[in-house]
Amino acid sequence: DTGVSQDPRHKITKRGQNVTFRCDPISEHNRLYWYRQTLGQGPEFLTYFQNEAQLEKSRLLSDRFSAERPKGSFSTLEIQRTEQGDSAMYLCASSFSGGNNQPQHFGDGTRLSIL
Amino acid sequence: GDSVTQMEGPVTLSEEAFLTINCTYTATGYPSLFWYVQYPGEGLQLLLKATKADDKGSNKGFEATYRKETTSFHLEKGSVQVSDSAVYFCALASMDSNYQLIWGAGTKLIIKP
Repeated sequence: DTGVSQDPRHKITKRGQNVTFRCDPISEHNRLYWYRQTLGQGPEFLTYFQNEAQLEKSRLLSDRFSAERPKGSFSTLEIQRTEQGDSAMYLCASSFSGGNNQPQHFGDGTRLSIL
Repeated sequence: GDSVTQMEGPVTLSEEAFLTINCTYTATGYPSLFWYVQYPGEGLQLLLKATKADDKGSNKGFEATYRKETTSFHLEKGSVQVSDSAVYFCALASMDSNYQLIWGAGTKLIIKP
């Protein structure tokens, strides 16, 4: 068990550029989640997948954000035309499905800084 | 809807002091409850969990008991160390939340030597 892996750890980009992050979940887990966290706050849910199906997206999620999990394994989160307000830590988590007692296991996150 | 309320931080203690971080929740049904810890610059780590009333989760000297009558899940540790300095998050997952984690705001813990 290598844990949840996220790449890159840090991303600095200019406003208006597109960025893409990758998450590799724990291999046995069929659920994968994306969260955003700003300094001093708890995580904010963005979206989640069960296998390759995207089952839920936050109503707060701008249409500039898109996520995929094409083969039910790794996932990518893309942000188009980045804005200053997108600066945050983007966290990925994975879990087994099957009820509310399955804990989510988190990666170390990708810190995005918009210049 | 479901919600989690944590005590505000920062909480500052001396090494070897007793720790309590309060967490209360609002949920319909029977949620599972979790404590996560976040060290500086890192992601969230599951610290402990409890899935039904009167369950006690424990790990690394930390404990929390699922109290349905008081809708609480307070985190405790008998003797804290400097290495426990981190931000602690209480969270719940329930059928009503579609098993998404509902998070408290986090409590920053500072342990002084």
